[in-house]
Amino acid sequence: GAVVSQHPSRVICKSGTSVKIECRSLDFQATTMFWYRQFPKQSLMLMATSNEGSKATYEQGVEKDKFLINHASLTLSTLTVTSAHPEDSSFYICSAPQGIGSYEQYFGPGTRLTVT
Amino acid sequence: KNEVEQSPQNLTAQEGEFITINCSYSVGISALHWLQQHPGGGIVSLFMLSSGKKKHGRLIATINIQEKHSSLHITASHPRDSAVYICAVPPFGNEKLTFGTGTRLTIIP
Repeated sequence: GAVVSQHPSRVICKSGTSVKIECRSLDFQATTMFWYRQFPKQSLMLMATSNEGSKATYEQGVEKDKFLINHASLTLSTLTVTSAHPEDSSFYICSAPQGIGSYEQYFGPGTRLTVT
Repeated sequence: KNEVEQSPQNLTAQEGEFITINCSYSVGISALHWLQQHPGGGIVSLFMLSSGKKKHGRLIATINIQEKHSSLHITASHPRDSAVYICAVPPFGNEKLTFGTGTRLTIIP
């Protein structure tokens, strides 16, 4: 089946630094990818929709200048958490629909970010 | 009010028991997802269904579009089934998923 990978799986960084998380579709092309954040014992919350070749669409309350998204190719989207703070510590997950308009979605394994 | 409601929130059962997790939603949808999230965090898509019933091994998912309700069943439950089970729906015409709050299942040996 379709596979989505994320890198890194776990990252610890100091407050004030920036962290880049990659999301790759390994055996299919994804014009759209979704980025989610999950705090402990809470459900996933959609942060933004990443669109290949155009600007990302951010959900209400998500700062686009803090969470930079770049969908550089049909198989790669990156999320950069800029000037990270401890409250940004969370589990970040991406997903990708298998085709345009497809409701079948494949999830990455997630990236656990800890900001000290 | 959450558009997707799951019950129960927590469920503890003995190994071998038949498990049912319910999901109700309020929006019109094209399909419904059942996802499994293990303690490490990674999410696995178990089912996507738009009508009727699907079966995969010991897992069965059903959906009633008219009643806006879906159930996930696990037969002969095993400790390795312990995880959080999440139902998620894409509203009509939208690829974005709205997630339920999840059901934390613990199977005791």
